[in-house]
Amino acid sequence: ETGVTQTPRHLVMGMTNKKSLKCEQHLGHNAMYWYKQSAKKPLELMFVYSLEERVENNSVPSRFSPECPNSSHLFLHLHTLQPEDSALYLCASSRGNEKLFFGSGTQLSVL
Amino acid sequence: DQQVKQNSPSLSVQEGRISILNCDYTNSMFDYFLWYKKYPAEGPTFLISISSIKDKNEDGRFTVFLNKSAKHLSLHIVPSQPGDSAVYFCAVRVPGGAGSYQLTFGKGTKLSVIP
Repeated sequence: ETGVTQTPRHLVMGMTNKKSLKCEQHLGHNAMYWYKQSAKKPLELMFVYSLEERVENNSVPSRFSPECPNSSHLFLHLHTLQPEDSALYLCASSRGNEKLFFGSGTQLSVL
Repeated sequence: DQQVKQNSPSLSVQEGRISILNCDYTNSMFDYFLWYKKYPAEGPTFLISISSIKDKNEDGRFTVFLNKSAKHLSLHIVPSQPGDSAVYFCAVRVPGGAGSYQLTFGKGTKLSVIP
């Protein structure tokens, strides 16, 4: 148990659906992250929030929309995704320059 | 272009022997390096790290070596145990905005420790 909880663990959605991934951290951290892991590719940073402000957006398509209502919660809203968006989506948190703690991820399949 | 390269996608080692996982990076300005371990259906967990001011850091069975001139990082596990079977990711820390930092990861090396 890393203190970072992601729901759901698995998600199957059609290309016209709208869904949201949820992440919650119980560690008192002040930065939260979304990473994407596709098959045979490195983990790719998608978004960074620090003190509830988005500080990084690594050229992610607008069909992915993050939301950070407070320092403990992070969402990734999904709409009109493509099959190539199927991947493991990982949330992480950190306190300043300290190491990242990852959740278990949401395995997303887009049909 | 990948900033962090793990050229061996997989490695098999006999239980009790040494496992050596390698990582190369491209930017000599990177100052902090980490290894993460990932089991199936779980997120990566932090294993060990090293600052660029050091060339070795040891924690129990795990030792990380840093060769700055070669821009090369390695993780040694000795003795290897079946429970060490996992995917190991090398990562470098890159400063981000407003007190955050980013990790740039390699593709990972899948270690299999054979009993």
